[in-house]
Amino acid sequence: DAKTTQPNSMESNEEEPVHLPCNHSTISGTDYIHWYRQLPSQGPEYVIHGLTSNVNNRMASLAIAEDRKSSTLILHRATLRDAAVYYCILPDTGGFKTIFGAGTRLFVKA
Amino acid sequence: DSGVTQTPKHLITATGQRVTLRCSPRSGDLSVYWYQQSLDQGLQFLIHYYNGEERAKGNILERFSAQQFPDLHSELNLSSLELGDSALYFCASSPGLAGGRVEQFFGPGTRLTVL
Repeated sequence: DAKTTQPNSMESNEEEPVHLPCNHSTISGTDYIHWYRQLPSQGPEYVIHGLTSNVNNRMASLAIAEDRKSSTLILHRATLRDAAVYYCILPDTGGFKTIFGAGTRLFVKA
Repeated sequence: DSGVTQTPKHLITATGQRVTLRCSPRSGDLSVYWYQQSLDQGLQFLIHYYNGEERAKGNILERFSAQQFPDLHSELNLSSLELGDSALYFCASSPGLAGGRVEQFFGPGTRLTVL
């Protein structure tokens, strides 16, 4: 499985945008990029995914580099509720297994 | 609410015992994944079932086993429990084998404490 690299932690102020980076230099042409987040004491929650083009949904935006070796999850206005661990993952093409790394712990200050 | 249910929510047992964790996937989802999350190890993939068949194994111990039944619910059996098995166990479901095109929906987890 292709590996992803994320910063251990990031900090943001409430109501400001947050850009969470992810490097995946060994990504293959068919690997989708997925983001999940895990709020304290809860199961992981799907955020967004994409293949080549940038993607937007009600939760966030996903910006994918042209060479696909990196991506950025964008939270447009961070709220205290967005404080969580954010995981960038590349599920294998068969969908058989999903390997989660350590993720980025996002702290949001009021 | 993801639509995935897990029971029980909490489980406290002793070393050497055996327990069964249950997962009901979202309606219509054929894939069930099991994960273990302990404090120092993050989220570890254990096993994946699709429509009753095992499709992939991760870091699952031989003392652990799982199955998916015809009604698509799944059970994770943990035996000869050790203190180190104390963790949160999550199950997730997805519609099928669509690779990375579909997301997984996670249940609320079962917290297992082995004393």
